[in-house]
Amino acid sequence: DAGVIQSPRHEVTEMGQEVTLRCKPISGHDYLFWYRQTMMRGLELLIYFNNNVPIDDSGMPEDRFSAKMPNASFSTLKIQPSEPRDSAVYFCASSLEFRGQVFFGNGTRLTVT
Amino acid sequence: AQKVTQAQTEISVVEKEDVTLDCVYETRDTTYYLFWYKQPPSGELVFLIRRNSFDEQNEISGRYSWNFQKSTSSFNFTITASQVVDSAVYFCALSGDRDDKIIFGKGTRLHILP
Repeated sequence: DAGVIQSPRHEVTEMGQEVTLRCKPISGHDYLFWYRQTMMRGLELLIYFNNNVPIDDSGMPEDRFSAKMPNASFSTLKIQPSEPRDSAVYFCASSLEFRGQVFFGNGTRLTVT
Repeated sequence: AQKVTQAQTEISVVEKEDVTLDCVYETRDTTYYLFWYKQPPSGELVFLIRRNSFDEQNEISGRYSWNFQKSTSSFNFTITASQVVDSAVYFCALSGDRDDKIIFGKGTRLHILP
């Protein structure tokens, strides 16, 4: 299996622009997670899905952030409009079972100037 | 509320020394899972171990060992005879039985000096 695939690996954009991060989970995994990692706040859970349905989005910082999972093999995290404080590494992860081993993608390093 | 505390922000040891990374957790759930993940300089997160709250046996995997103590709400990780390749950030994490998400500690950055 190819693992969790995220794109792009790096994204540099200007403040105010829309940013879309993409994720393909491991086939057959029912849970998909979006995390953000910064030096100040560490790893934060933004949102997670179970069987394509958003279960908990309480970690989404504000309305500028939105996430979708239109099918079992694809998810997006969108920031509109982006701000410099959104600069971070965004990880997508998936797992097969309830509280099972979580497999992480390689992350997308986002820089907003 | 659930919480994971890794009090050691950064540790440096000389190669071949043993090192223990501390993890203290808080939860009101009776059933929960604890995890350790490794993040090497390349950036990816690598799963190391999962332990459920009913299994307090210590575990050893090669040079790695884990000490789970419910009485002190701790799940410490020891690397024996450390190697330079062990240099990474190590995260302890917790998942309770009331929801599916995993809460991570802030991580401990481990430097193994040659």
